[in-house]
Amino acid sequence: EVQVVESGGGLVQPGGSLRLSCVVSGFTYRKFWMHWVRHAPGKGLEWVSRIQTDGISTSYADSVKGRFTISKDSAKNTIYLQMNSLRVEDMALYYCARDSGTYPYYFDHWGLGTLVTVSS
Amino acid sequence: QLVLTQSPSASASLGASVKLTCTLSSGESTYAIAWYQHLPGKGPRFLMKVNNDGRETKGDGIPDRFSGSSSGAERYLTIYSLQSDDEGDYYCQTWGHDTGVFGGGTKLTVV
Repeated sequence: EVQVVESGGGLVQPGGSLRLSCVVSGFTYRKFWMHWVRHAPGKGLEWVSRIQTDGISTSYADSVKGRFTISKDSAKNTIYLQMNSLRVEDMALYYCARDSGTYPYYFDHWGLGTLVTVSS
Repeated sequence: QLVLTQSPSASASLGASVKLTCTLSSGESTYAIAWYQHLPGKGPRFLMKVNNDGRETKGDGIPDRFSGSSSGAERYLTIYSLQSDDEGDYYCQTWGHDTGVFGGGTKLTVV
């Protein structure tokens, strides 16, 4: 059974940093892209970032580019999202999701999310 | 710019059917999209992929009550025999220019 479990959320002040983790199991991890998607209060889902199987190729939404970094540790089956220079508008429930591996690169398995609160 | 447009809300009666629409921006009518269900307190659930020719590919365990179709730049999700636990948010999503794109979501109310 595919499992995706996020952690690392919490309360942080504007300008602060936080690192989210996503541990996956139940599938051959190295064969799939992985993504972060967020859901801010009162808003819709927003794609944040993705990392390809090589662990090198990444992409980001314009809203987080230059502030967030996605990475992976294949030995630990874990994907990370390093979030720096956090803003109030980054406050959201952050989901980790597995890529389907087929066009249009949709997300076929999701975790329950980890909550990031940005407030002074 | 690739944009997906959804109506903010929809409602239908218990046992009835409802058709949700996701509209691709002008000039982007060939894109396939994915539909997700997002219920309160849960992670989003992949429902199906819908190609521009209307072919659908459902996720694991998605019942036949959920159906996808397509016409031009519009992609549809039809839910038959509505149940109370179908109430929630429904999103369409696609991929373009190396970024994920979500529609704004439709809040479905089952009355």
